[in-house]
Amino acid sequence: AQTVTQSQPEMSVQEAETVTLSCTYDTSESDYYLFWYKQPPSRQMILVIRQEAYKQQNATENRFSVNFQKAAKSFSLKISDSQLGDAAMYFCAYRSAKTSYDKVIFGPGTSLSVIP
Amino acid sequence: DGGITQSPKYLFRKEGQNVTLSCEQNLNHDAMYWYRQDPGQGLRLIYYSQIVNDFQKGDIAEGYSVSREKKESFPLTVTSAQKNPTAFYLCASSQGIEQFFGPGTRLTVL
Repeated sequence: AQTVTQSQPEMSVQEAETVTLSCTYDTSESDYYLFWYKQPPSRQMILVIRQEAYKQQNATENRFSVNFQKAAKSFSLKISDSQLGDAAMYFCAYRSAKTSYDKVIFGPGTSLSVIP
Repeated sequence: DGGITQSPKYLFRKEGQNVTLSCEQNLNHDAMYWYRQDPGQGLRLIYYSQIVNDFQKGDIAEGYSVSREKKESFPLTVTSAQKNPTAFYLCASSQGIEQFFGPGTRLTVL
């Protein structure tokens, strides 16, 4: 069974600085998707970034980028120029690519605080 | 605007009562999901449905039931058999890779 681990329950970053959130996963599959979701205090889950396992190039979305290391089964999220609005819970998630509607497995989350 | 709605936002229930959480989507998505979120834990899958009139148990289905009579609707019933129902419940839908989430319902058992 696939698992997702986030070893940092809490992290903090100074406004305008860069922070990296860690995620590791375990799977025997070769084709899958990885996600980072953000859950602000409103508790609305928002997709931050997505990575397809078959793509070697790391995904980027504005200030958010990932470091995808397939062999190491590592998928970290880097937030550059941190803003107060980045304060939230961040969940790493995995989804098999076998079927169109496969379930998503979430990690336990990292709570990110942004210090003004 | 297309999206997912969940109602109510807050729900209080007496022990021993069944309660139904609503989830509606107008995104025309085939698949819908119910998750439970507890402090310090990620989202855990309760039930999911890939098509109307069909659904499958997730990882923590005991004490819950669902129906999928319409494509737009996927209500979740928390039964009295659920031993620890106080939690935050999230509904999601998808039509492919990405899941879209509703705003959630906070259920408290008194």
